Amino acid sequence: GAVVSQHPSRVICKSGTSVKIECRSLDFQATTMFWYRQFPKQSLMLMATSNEGSKATYEQGVEKDKFLINHASLTLSTLTVTSAHPEDSSFYICSATRGLTGNTIYFGEGSWLTVV
Amino acid sequence: AQSVTQPDIHITVSEGASLELRCNYSYGATPYLFWYVQSPGQGLQLLLKYFSGDTLVQGIKGFEAEFKRSQSSFNLRKPSVHWSDAAEYFCAVGGVNTGGFKTIFGAGTRLFVKA
Repeated sequence: GAVVSQHPSRVICKSGTSVKIECRSLDFQATTMFWYRQFPKQSLMLMATSNEGSKATYEQGVEKDKFLINHASLTLSTLTVTSAHPEDSSFYICSATRGLTGNTIYFGEGSWLTVV
Repeated sequence: AQSVTQPDIHITVSEGASLELRCNYSYGATPYLFWYVQSPGQGLQLLLKYFSGDTLVQGIKGFEAEFKRSQSSFNLRKPSVHWSDAAEYFCAVGGVNTGGFKTIFGAGTRLFVKA
Protein backbone atom coordinates (compact mmCIF):
# COMPACT_ATOMS: atom_id res chain seq x y z
CA GLY A 1 0.00 0.00 0.00
CA ALA A 2 0.90 3.64 -0.17
CA VAL A 3 3.47 4.78 2.35
CA VAL A 4 4.62 8.14 3.55
CA SER A 5 8.03 8.24 5.12
CA GLN A 6 9.52 10.88 7.37
CA HIS A 7 13.16 11.42 8.14
CA PRO A 8 14.68 11.73 10.62
CA SER A 9 12.47 10.00 13.15
CA ARG A 10 14.33 11.65 16.00
CA VAL A 11 16.64 14.64 16.01
CA ILE A 12 18.34 16.66 18.69
CA CYS A 13 19.72 20.05 17.82
CA LYS A 14 21.21 22.99 19.63
CA SER A 15 19.34 26.23 20.14
CA GLY A 16 19.85 28.62 17.30
CA THR A 17 20.51 26.00 14.68
CA SER A 18 18.18 24.89 11.90
CA VAL A 19 16.88 21.42 11.32
CA LYS A 20 15.21 19.92 8.28
CA ILE A 21 12.57 17.21 8.31
CA GLU A 22 11.71 15.36 5.13
CA CYS A 23 8.39 13.85 4.13
CA ARG A 24 8.32 11.50 1.18
CA SER A 25 5.49 9.69 -0.55
CA LEU A 26 7.09 6.42 -1.54
CA ASP A 27 4.82 4.97 -4.18
CA PHE A 28 2.50 7.73 -5.24
CA GLN A 29 2.61 11.35 -6.25
CA ALA A 30 1.33 13.75 -3.67
CA THR A 31 0.40 17.14 -4.97
CA THR A 32 -0.55 18.18 -1.46
CA MET A 33 1.13 17.41 1.80
CA PHE A 34 0.33 18.64 5.26
CA TRP A 35 2.46 19.36 8.27
CA TYR A 36 1.17 18.90 11.78
CA ARG A 37 2.67 19.59 15.15
CA GLN A 38 1.81 17.69 18.28
CA PHE A 39 2.84 18.69 21.77
CA PRO A 40 2.98 15.96 24.41
CA LYS A 41 -0.48 14.76 25.41
CA GLN A 42 -2.14 17.12 22.98
CA SER A 43 -3.79 16.84 19.62
CA LEU A 44 -2.33 17.40 16.20
CA MET A 45 -2.38 20.98 15.10
CA LEU A 46 -2.28 21.70 11.40
CA MET A 47 0.64 24.00 10.65
CA ALA A 48 0.55 24.34 6.91
CA THR A 49 -0.53 22.90 3.62
CA SER A 50 2.29 22.22 1.23
CA ASN A 51 1.49 22.38 -2.46
CA GLU A 52 3.90 21.11 -5.06
CA GLY A 53 5.41 23.93 -7.05
CA SER A 54 3.87 26.75 -5.07
CA LYS A 55 4.12 28.44 -1.72
CA ALA A 56 2.79 26.70 1.32
CA THR A 57 -0.39 27.89 2.96
CA TYR A 58 0.15 28.47 6.66
CA GLU A 59 -2.44 28.29 9.37
CA GLN A 60 -3.08 31.30 11.51
CA GLY A 61 -0.47 31.77 14.16
CA VAL A 62 2.24 29.74 12.44
CA GLU A 63 5.36 31.74 11.64
CA LYS A 64 6.22 31.37 7.97
CA ASP A 65 9.80 32.50 8.41
CA LYS A 66 10.41 30.09 11.22
CA PHE A 67 8.87 27.01 9.67
CA LEU A 68 10.01 26.92 6.08
CA ILE A 69 8.21 24.49 3.85
CA ASN A 70 9.44 23.42 0.44
CA HIS A 71 7.50 21.06 -1.81
CA ALA A 72 9.91 20.83 -4.70
CA SER A 73 8.68 17.60 -6.19
CA LEU A 74 5.58 15.45 -6.21
CA THR A 75 7.11 13.05 -3.74
CA LEU A 76 8.98 15.29 -1.32
CA SER A 77 8.09 18.07 1.08
CA THR A 78 10.51 19.44 3.64
CA LEU A 79 9.94 21.35 6.84
CA THR A 80 12.85 23.40 8.11
CA VAL A 81 12.71 24.73 11.63
CA THR A 82 14.97 27.77 11.56
CA SER A 83 16.79 29.18 14.55
CA ALA A 84 15.29 26.49 16.72
CA HIS A 85 14.47 27.13 20.35
CA PRO A 86 13.56 24.70 23.12
CA GLU A 87 9.88 25.62 22.76
CA ASP A 88 10.02 24.24 19.22
CA SER A 89 10.60 20.80 20.66
CA SER A 90 7.67 18.75 19.52
CA PHE A 91 6.44 15.83 17.44
CA TYR A 92 6.06 16.82 13.80
CA ILE A 93 3.92 14.70 11.50
CA CYS A 94 3.35 15.01 7.80
CA SER A 95 0.58 13.59 5.71
CA ALA A 96 0.00 13.26 2.01
CA THR A 97 -3.19 13.00 0.08
CA ARG A 98 -3.78 10.70 -2.80
CA GLY A 99 -6.50 11.82 -5.11
CA LEU A 100 -7.99 15.19 -5.86
CA THR A 101 -10.52 15.19 -3.05
CA GLY A 102 -8.03 14.05 -0.47
CA ASN A 103 -10.16 11.13 0.47
CA THR A 104 -7.13 8.95 0.93
CA ILE A 105 -4.70 10.35 3.45
CA TYR A 106 -1.49 8.77 4.56
CA PHE A 107 0.54 9.84 7.55
CA GLY A 108 4.25 9.67 8.08
CA GLU A 109 5.69 8.06 11.18
CA GLY A 110 6.43 11.43 12.73
CA SER A 111 9.65 13.15 13.75
CA TRP A 112 10.61 13.95 17.30
CA LEU A 113 12.50 17.22 17.55
CA THR A 114 14.31 18.09 20.75
CA VAL A 115 16.04 21.45 20.95
CA VAL A 116 18.60 21.75 23.72
CA ALA B 1 -13.97 25.78 7.93
CA GLN B 2 -14.57 22.56 9.72
CA SER B 3 -14.14 21.80 13.40
CA VAL B 4 -14.30 18.69 15.54
CA THR B 5 -14.98 18.15 19.21
CA GLN B 6 -14.18 15.18 21.38
CA PRO B 7 -15.98 15.91 24.64
CA ASP B 8 -14.19 13.32 26.75
CA ILE B 9 -10.56 13.97 27.61
CA HIS B 10 -10.15 10.49 29.04
CA ILE B 11 -12.27 7.41 29.56
CA THR B 12 -11.66 4.32 31.68
CA VAL B 13 -13.34 1.03 30.90
CA SER B 14 -12.90 -2.47 32.19
CA GLU B 15 -11.42 -5.08 29.93
CA GLY B 16 -14.22 -6.87 28.14
CA ALA B 17 -16.65 -4.00 28.53
CA SER B 18 -18.07 -2.05 25.64
CA LEU B 19 -16.67 1.29 24.56
CA GLU B 20 -18.05 4.40 22.93
CA LEU B 21 -15.92 7.45 22.18
CA ARG B 22 -17.79 10.56 21.19
CA CYS B 23 -17.03 12.86 18.30
CA ASN B 24 -19.00 15.84 17.05
CA TYR B 25 -18.11 17.85 13.99
CA SER B 26 -19.05 21.06 12.28
CA TYR B 27 -18.88 21.38 8.53
CA GLY B 28 -21.12 22.92 5.90
CA ALA B 29 -21.26 19.90 3.64
CA THR B 30 -20.87 16.16 4.01
CA PRO B 31 -17.50 15.73 5.65
CA TYR B 32 -14.88 13.09 5.41
CA LEU B 33 -14.62 11.56 8.87
CA PHE B 34 -11.80 9.56 10.37
CA TRP B 35 -10.80 7.86 13.58
CA TYR B 36 -7.13 7.37 14.36
CA VAL B 37 -5.37 5.69 17.24
CA GLN B 38 -2.00 6.72 18.62
CA SER B 39 0.08 4.77 21.09
CA PRO B 40 2.57 6.71 23.23
CA GLY B 41 5.49 7.98 21.21
CA GLN B 42 4.09 6.55 18.01
CA GLY B 43 2.51 7.87 14.86
CA LEU B 44 -1.09 7.61 13.83
CA GLN B 45 -2.93 4.51 12.72
CA LEU B 46 -6.16 4.79 10.79
CA LEU B 47 -8.97 2.79 12.38
CA LEU B 48 -11.73 3.65 9.94
CA LYS B 49 -13.11 6.36 7.70
CA TYR B 50 -16.41 7.54 6.30
CA PHE B 51 -16.91 9.30 3.00
CA SER B 52 -20.37 8.28 1.85
CA GLY B 53 -22.73 5.33 1.70
CA ASP B 54 -23.52 3.11 4.64
CA THR B 55 -23.44 5.22 7.77
CA LEU B 56 -22.17 2.35 9.90
CA VAL B 57 -18.50 1.89 9.14
CA GLN B 58 -16.42 -1.11 10.10
CA GLY B 59 -12.77 -0.65 10.87
CA ILE B 60 -9.77 -2.58 12.03
CA LYS B 61 -9.30 -4.15 15.44
CA GLY B 62 -13.02 -4.67 15.89
CA PHE B 63 -13.92 -0.96 15.89
CA GLU B 64 -16.92 0.56 14.19
CA ALA B 65 -18.33 4.06 13.93
CA GLU B 66 -21.69 5.45 12.97
CA PHE B 67 -22.21 8.67 11.08
CA LYS B 68 -25.32 10.51 12.26
CA ARG B 69 -25.91 13.58 10.18
CA SER B 70 -28.78 14.84 12.33
CA GLN B 71 -26.51 14.86 15.37
CA SER B 72 -23.32 15.84 13.56
CA SER B 73 -21.68 12.91 15.25
CA PHE B 74 -19.31 10.11 14.37
CA ASN B 75 -18.94 8.06 17.53
CA LEU B 76 -16.50 5.19 17.74
CA ARG B 77 -17.57 1.92 19.31
CA LYS B 78 -16.17 -1.43 20.24
CA PRO B 79 -18.25 -4.20 21.85
CA SER B 80 -15.45 -5.66 23.97
CA VAL B 81 -12.32 -3.74 24.88
CA HIS B 82 -8.93 -5.41 25.18
CA TRP B 83 -6.09 -4.15 27.34
CA SER B 84 -4.10 -3.46 24.17
CA ASP B 85 -6.70 -0.87 23.14
CA ALA B 86 -5.38 1.55 25.73
CA ALA B 87 -4.16 4.52 23.68
CA GLU B 88 -5.09 8.00 22.50
CA TYR B 89 -7.91 8.20 20.00
CA PHE B 90 -8.38 11.07 17.60
CA CYS B 91 -11.42 11.91 15.57
CA ALA B 92 -10.70 13.95 12.45
CA VAL B 93 -12.82 15.72 9.90
CA GLY B 94 -11.70 16.50 6.39
CA GLY B 95 -13.21 18.90 3.96
CA VAL B 96 -12.52 21.29 1.17
CA ASN B 97 -11.79 24.85 2.19
CA THR B 98 -10.55 27.90 0.35
CA GLY B 99 -7.03 26.62 0.79
CA GLY B 100 -7.90 23.17 -0.49
CA PHE B 101 -8.59 19.96 1.33
CA LYS B 102 -7.72 19.96 5.03
CA THR B 103 -8.00 17.49 7.85
CA ILE B 104 -8.57 18.85 11.32
CA PHE B 105 -8.15 16.76 14.45
CA GLY B 106 -10.08 16.71 17.68
CA ALA B 107 -8.32 17.10 20.99
CA GLY B 108 -8.21 13.37 21.50
CA THR B 109 -9.58 10.96 24.07
CA ARG B 110 -7.23 8.92 26.19
CA LEU B 111 -8.55 5.42 26.79
CA PHE B 112 -7.52 3.58 29.94
CA VAL B 113 -8.36 -0.10 30.29
CA LYS B 114 -8.51 -1.66 33.72
CA ALA B 115 -8.26 -5.35 34.42
